[in-house]
Amino acid sequence: QVQLVQSGAEVKKPGASVKVSCEASGYTFIAYYIHWVRQAPGQRLQWMGWINPNSDDTNYAHEFQGRVTMTRDTSISTAYMELSRLTSDDTAVYYCAKDRGKQDNIFDIWGQGTMVTVSS
Amino acid sequence: DIQMTQSPSSVSASVGDSVTITCRASQDISRWLAWYQHKPGKAPQLLIYAASSLQSGVPSRFSGSESGTDFTLTISSLQPEDFATYYCQQANSFPYTFGQGTKLEIK
Repeated sequence: QVQLVQSGAEVKKPGASVKVSCEASGYTFIAYYIHWVRQAPGQRLQWMGWINPNSDDTNYAHEFQGRVTMTRDTSISTAYMELSRLTSDDTAVYYCAKDRGKQDNIFDIWGQGTMVTVSS
Repeated sequence: DIQMTQSPSSVSASVGDSVTITCRASQDISRWLAWYQHKPGKAPQLLIYAASSLQSGVPSRFSGSESGTDFTLTISSLQPEDFATYYCQQANSFPYTFGQGTKLEIK
């Protein structure tokens, strides 16, 4: 079945970087954009950006530009999201999500989430 | 950025009841509106896309509608598994923004 499986929880110190992986299976990885969405405690879902696995093009929300890098490895159908210069405000669950269609920007399959805790 | 405002923030209902959740966009988003169900510790699930199209596999008791910049999600005949938090999301304009969520609780 179509699924996205993410890497495990991370604990990082302020100023560090974190890299979360998202392995896709059950569909043609390069055919659909992968988006990243996060949810901080008690907050709404927040879209971070997308990567086109076919072209490697990316588009990041303004808030994260300069601090986020989305990449992919088509040989293992895996997308990555790296966030640098972490602060406590980056403590959140990070999700990858598959685009429903040809850049619909609607998310039909989500990963299980990766908890990232930033603490000194 | 387009602001998405949901109401109510929380609602209590009983199994078998019907519930309506509203989402208002701060500007025109055409029909590019999705609804998601989110349970604690689980991945969000797509329910409705394009304002009123039911995602494959989602029960027909879920329905969506639109009127201008106002969108509604209706859940008829609530089932125990429907108690969760619901989010709307606009997919019309970058950046793609979510509502603050509506928590549906058991009365």
